[in-house]
Amino acid sequence: DSGVTQTPKHLITATGQRVTLRCSPRSGDLSVYWYQQSLDQGLQFLIQYYNGEERAKGNILERFSAQQFPDLHSELNLSSLELGDSALYFCASSVSSSSYNEQFFGPGTRLTVL
Amino acid sequence: DQQVKQNSPSLSVQEGRISILNCDYTNSMFDYFLWYKKYPAEGPTFLISISSIKDKNEDGRFTVFLNKSAKHLSLHIVPSQPGDSAVYFCAARGTGGFKTIFGAGTRLFVKA
Repeated sequence: DSGVTQTPKHLITATGQRVTLRCSPRSGDLSVYWYQQSLDQGLQFLIQYYNGEERAKGNILERFSAQQFPDLHSELNLSSLELGDSALYFCASSVSSSSYNEQFFGPGTRLTVL
Repeated sequence: DQQVKQNSPSLSVQEGRISILNCDYTNSMFDYFLWYKKYPAEGPTFLISISSIKDKNEDGRFTVFLNKSAKHLSLHIVPSQPGDSAVYFCAARGTGGFKTIFGAGTRLFVKA
């Protein structure tokens, strides 16, 4: 158990809909990262937050947005869903914003768009 | 544009033998490399890392080798155990950057 929790574990929805994925980082970790893993693909970095502020952005679509709240939990919002958005979405956390800190991953949320 | 490539989707090894997982990268600005291990229905877990100022880092049965001139790194597992069966991701980070770039992963099967 990494200490990072993600809810829900599974999500099935239809095209055009909007969903929210939630992540609670390890106790004491200030950075939260979001990754997308599509079938047979590596983990694609989406976005990083540090202590409530956006720190780095990756290949995140404009239909997607995220935020980190004062209690440090984070939410990833996916809107106007398309079939291609079906993937595993991982959240990770680390102590600081440094790229050299180990990231601890949650178990992921599997999103299926029908 | 895949900056981190793991060209072998899968690898099968006999228990007790050596497992060698390979990873190539294209960006010379990467200065820190990591290996993560992932079991089904779980998130990736950190395994071992290496800084670009080193060419080898060892932790128990796991050793990572870095060849900067070839932009290649490898993970050696000796001896391999059935519990090592998992997907292994190679990852790289760049100087001053915050992004971690992951490869597509190699699925390792260790046969008893």
